[in-house]
Amino acid sequence: GESVGLHLPTLSVQEGDNSIINCAYSNSASDYFIWYKQESGKGPQFIIDIRSNMDKRQGQRVTVLLNKTVKHLSLQIAATQPGDSAVYFCAENTGGFKTIFGAGTRLFVKA
Amino acid sequence: NAGVTQTPKFQVLKTGQSMTLQCAQDMNHEYMSWYRQDPGMGLRLIHYSVGAGITDQGEVPNGYNVSRSTTEDFPLRLLSAAPSQTSVYFCASSPGGAYEKLFFGSGTQLSVL
Repeated sequence: GESVGLHLPTLSVQEGDNSIINCAYSNSASDYFIWYKQESGKGPQFIIDIRSNMDKRQGQRVTVLLNKTVKHLSLQIAATQPGDSAVYFCAENTGGFKTIFGAGTRLFVKA
Repeated sequence: NAGVTQTPKFQVLKTGQSMTLQCAQDMNHEYMSWYRQDPGMGLRLIHYSVGAGITDQGEVPNGYNVSRSTTEDFPLRLLSAAPSQTSVYFCASSPGGAYEKLFFGSGTQLSVL
């Protein structure tokens, strides 16, 4: 999961396993949620998004689940690969012009 | 397509110096924004712009100025740098609608001594 602080939560998984990264968002009025992946030394890169009128959306090897009741978002990565090693951020969009990021989770994939 | 281009990639300043971080995008995006990223933390929104001539404050605007004279460019100015502004700065853009993903530049690593 995600927390505010100096040390990123870390998730370590074996290559080929599924990964689940969790995020708690803060604003019940947020209506658009996005997951970004950040590799070392690079800017964040879009992975998948979901609007508040949906509770699940699938992409290629990734699925995002949204639970508005408890303000929880998760990213599932199927058959995790070494190239998936990165920091993953959830972000919420409030009012259309401000995208607010969570603190991030570091995913480490063991070969 | 270059996407979002940030310059410089690295910069060292002394306390009190001023400088401008440059950001340019070639995707004709209306929306542009600046974030800072501190170690072990997420990105925090500094300023954003929804189009040429329009800017607004984000979460942490103090100590930074912006302007948007063209669609392509969105410079970030530090008028009097402080050690607390040591960070990695990212510029991002999007087409401008309410449900649009952000495209990020590769960042500027700034150290203020």
